[in-house]
Amino acid sequence: TQLLEQSPQFLSIQEGENLTVYCNSSSVFSSLQWYRQEPGEGPVLLVTVVTGGEVKKLKRLTFQFGDARKDSSLHITAAQPGDTGLYLCAGAEMKTSYDKVIFGPGTSLSVIP
Amino acid sequence: GAVVSQHPSWVICKSGTSVKIECRSLDFQATTMFWYRQFPKQSLMLMATSNEGSKATYEQGVEKDKFLINHASLTLSTLTVTSAHPEDSSFYICSASGTNSYEQYFGPGTRLTVT
Repeated sequence: TQLLEQSPQFLSIQEGENLTVYCNSSSVFSSLQWYRQEPGEGPVLLVTVVTGGEVKKLKRLTFQFGDARKDSSLHITAAQPGDTGLYLCAGAEMKTSYDKVIFGPGTSLSVIP
Repeated sequence: GAVVSQHPSWVICKSGTSVKIECRSLDFQATTMFWYRQFPKQSLMLMATSNEGSKATYEQGVEKDKFLINHASLTLSTLTVTSAHPEDSSFYICSASGTNSYEQYFGPGTRLTVT
């Protein structure tokens, strides 16, 4: 069974600071997704990375997939209170008819105004 | 696009009763639907995966006779919690995937409280 680890588990920062969240595994994934979840709501897909070494940017968020497709990072520049939430990485494992997605434990981010 | 709805948003039921939760993909055909359970401040725990017209695949430790899943069409899956007990109280979330099966679109979740 493939497992995903995320670090840090909790993060509280001041508005305007930068931060990086890490997602690591000992196994290779066919793709990796990042989601953000707010309390009482379902996760919202932020990005999918597929190619080793791939970098994607979404406004102030930069996502990188490791060369070996075992790890990923999410960097937020100039964090804002609206970035507060639970950030989940999810690795996709190919099955015969669908991709089984494994979720990491999440990073709870709190951005203080 | 890629909107998934769940109904109800929250439900309170008495111990021993059954509760049905609906998950619908509103603007795309969902090849596969997933059901998750989430405890406070924890990540998502996959309960089962279902493909339209076939039996659901349950994760280890999830009782298929207690958590009945029906995926009758490409836009609707239901989860029925049978003979609910207080320990079944949780946040249940469904997701659906289409062409890109590794990208899941989540519903808003259903908060179940069993008294």
